[in-house]
Amino acid sequence: QSALTQPASVSGSPGQSITISCTGTNSDVGGYNSVSWFQQHPGRVPRLIIYEVSNRPSGVSSRFSGSKSGNTASLTISGLQAEDEADYYCSSYTSRSTIFGGGTKLTVL
Amino acid sequence: AQLVQSGAEVKKPGASVKVSCKASGYAFPGYHMHWVRQAPGQGLEWMACLYPSSGDTMYAQNFQGRATLTRDLSTDTAYMELSGLKFDDMAVYYCARDSQWLARGSAFDLWGQGTVVTVSS
Repeated sequence: QSALTQPASVSGSPGQSITISCTGTNSDVGGYNSVSWFQQHPGRVPRLIIYEVSNRPSGVSSRFSGSKSGNTASLTISGLQAEDEADYYCSSYTSRSTIFGGGTKLTVL
Repeated sequence: AQLVQSGAEVKKPGASVKVSCKASGYAFPGYHMHWVRQAPGQGLEWMACLYPSSGDTMYAQNFQGRATLTRDLSTDTAYMELSGLKFDDMAVYYCARDSQWLARGSAFDLWGQGTVVTVSS
């Protein structure tokens, strides 16, 4: 199964909002409400920030939000902060596996 | 709750490596355990998962026949063995707990610290 498609990079200034897309098919993103997002700072372990499309785990800032339309899921980060600069990965359940997106590098200008 | 993985490994091409992941602080049998790897400078790649209670496993196509997941319920430890190592297998290998009790999903809420596997002749 192919990886989900994410933009390689996005950027924004402090205080702005950015959105990262994650496009799959109706066999993964479009077929289930089991899309997650992870944040990974350089040299660190990935951290779950969104699960089941739009739910935030305890302790994750409300500046992070998720949504889905058809075969594309999206992660929006509002009020960008310097500490948000990291790599972001989406993942989706499929009937036979879990698949990740290729990752998006967020640069805070 | 935490997952503690075994230490770094250096292996020759063609050899096998076995990484352990010891769980503590939660009911190990009831949560799927996933294995994810990350090659240097690359993204996350899902390899496989194991349901500790039953021992049922699921493998990504790329690892079918080469990766083997097992567990020891007496020590709450999961294992991932990868055989026929190639230079391309050099990566950090993570174990990660599924966030859902009983069910398999895509949300991994607890991660091991990672195990660096180096393949060198």
